[in-house]
Amino acid sequence: EDQVTQSPEALRLQEGESSSLNCSYTVSGLRGLFWYRQDPGKGPEFLFTLYSAGEEKEKERLKATLTKKESFLHITAPKPEDSATYLCAVQARSGATNKLIFGTGTLLAVQP
Amino acid sequence: EPEVTQTPSHQVTQMGQEVILRCVPISNHLYFYWYRQILGQKVEFLVSFYNNEISEKSEIFDDQFSVERPDGSNFTLKIRSTKLEDSAMYFCASTAERSGNTIYFGEGSWLTVV
Repeated sequence: EDQVTQSPEALRLQEGESSSLNCSYTVSGLRGLFWYRQDPGKGPEFLFTLYSAGEEKEKERLKATLTKKESFLHITAPKPEDSATYLCAVQARSGATNKLIFGTGTLLAVQP
Repeated sequence: EPEVTQTPSHQVTQMGQEVILRCVPISNHLYFYWYRQILGQKVEFLVSFYNNEISEKSEIFDDQFSVERPDGSNFTLKIRSTKLEDSAMYFCASTAERSGNTIYFGEGSWLTVV
């Protein structure tokens, strides 16, 4: 069964304190791995899609990397506005459509 | 930037009542989805829709649920007889292509069943 596990569940950082969020996945052939940001009461906001092991993508203070078993979202020198829940999702090759299977997310709090 | 829009943002309904949630996907997109998120839980896939028919549905999407694209712009989710456990945030999403790419989500419709 396709599965996504994110860790830690919650992370509290001081402003400027870099860290990484983990997404481990089990999927029957990976079509894509997605990172989203979700603010309270809002919809997931797209950040990145990674397709193959070794791939990296960056956006401002965020950098996503992918291996055959996991993905990391590195946050460099975070600011309070980076506080949100970060969701990881996978898309399997075997699916009839490109549905996403989500993890439970990592709640990030960045304190000034 | 184009966006997926959803209405209503919040709806309170009596148990057993019918509810219709509405979505306007991004205009050139071809694949449409409904997901839901129960408070404090993960985002779960409900159904995907392509070429005016359901492509895939989850176990959650039982006979009480239906989807429709009544015209060229709207995509609706109907819950025929709501239950307390249907209380959740419902997200509409759309994408241009089947393979990978970017799947855009709306801001959600918060459904409370009392």
